[in-house]
Amino acid sequence: GESVGLHLPTLSVQEGDNSIINCAYSNSASDYFIWYKQESGKGPQFIIDIRSNMDKRQGQRVTVLLNKTVKHLSLQIAATQPGDSAVYFCAERFGGSRLTFGEGTQLTVNP
Amino acid sequence: GAVVSQHPSWVICKSGTSVKIECRSLDFQATTMFWYRQFPKQSLMLMATSNEGSKATYEQGVEKDKFLINHASLTLSTLTVTSAHPEDSSFYICSARPAAGGSYNEQFFGPGTRLTVL
Repeated sequence: GESVGLHLPTLSVQEGDNSIINCAYSNSASDYFIWYKQESGKGPQFIIDIRSNMDKRQGQRVTVLLNKTVKHLSLQIAATQPGDSAVYFCAERFGGSRLTFGEGTQLTVNP
Repeated sequence: GAVVSQHPSWVICKSGTSVKIECRSLDFQATTMFWYRQFPKQSLMLMATSNEGSKATYEQGVEKDKFLINHASLTLSTLTVTSAHPEDSSFYICSARPAAGGSYNEQFFGPGTRLTVL
């Protein structure tokens, strides 16, 4: 079946460093991708999205890169802060509005 | 804007009882709501898609008679876990897609409901 997965289950960075969280997807027909942040005991929080006809999109301190050739998605967080510590999920959409979530990466920011 | 609430935020029940979880879109109307289940240290798994005024569409492997979904209005969907068992203990999260305006892609997530079945 189709799946979305993350390369690293955990990522630990120093405050102020840049973070890169990776995601691999297997469905070449996916047309929309989203990154979510989930803090413990809370629902997912939208971070940034990108359509399949784009390869890069920037937000405030975050950038999403999409490489359709290798079916790879990444989230870059600039100047990572302790408040960025959370689990980050990528999600893909193919057909309709159903989202398939990846496995998640636990980001820990050390002061 | 675009706030989704869930009630209760947590619930503990005895095995064999039924539990109802509410998902409300507070400041927008939602024709479609989604129910997810998340086990500890795992990802969100879509259980069902709920459309206002029609039957829910369940994902493969999700028992529709056990997880009853009702979407009677544009701002409320409910998930009832019937005859709950300890293996149903999980974090249940809903999301809602606005009926009008915004992006078709948008889904706004609720804060989740922690269900513990003893």
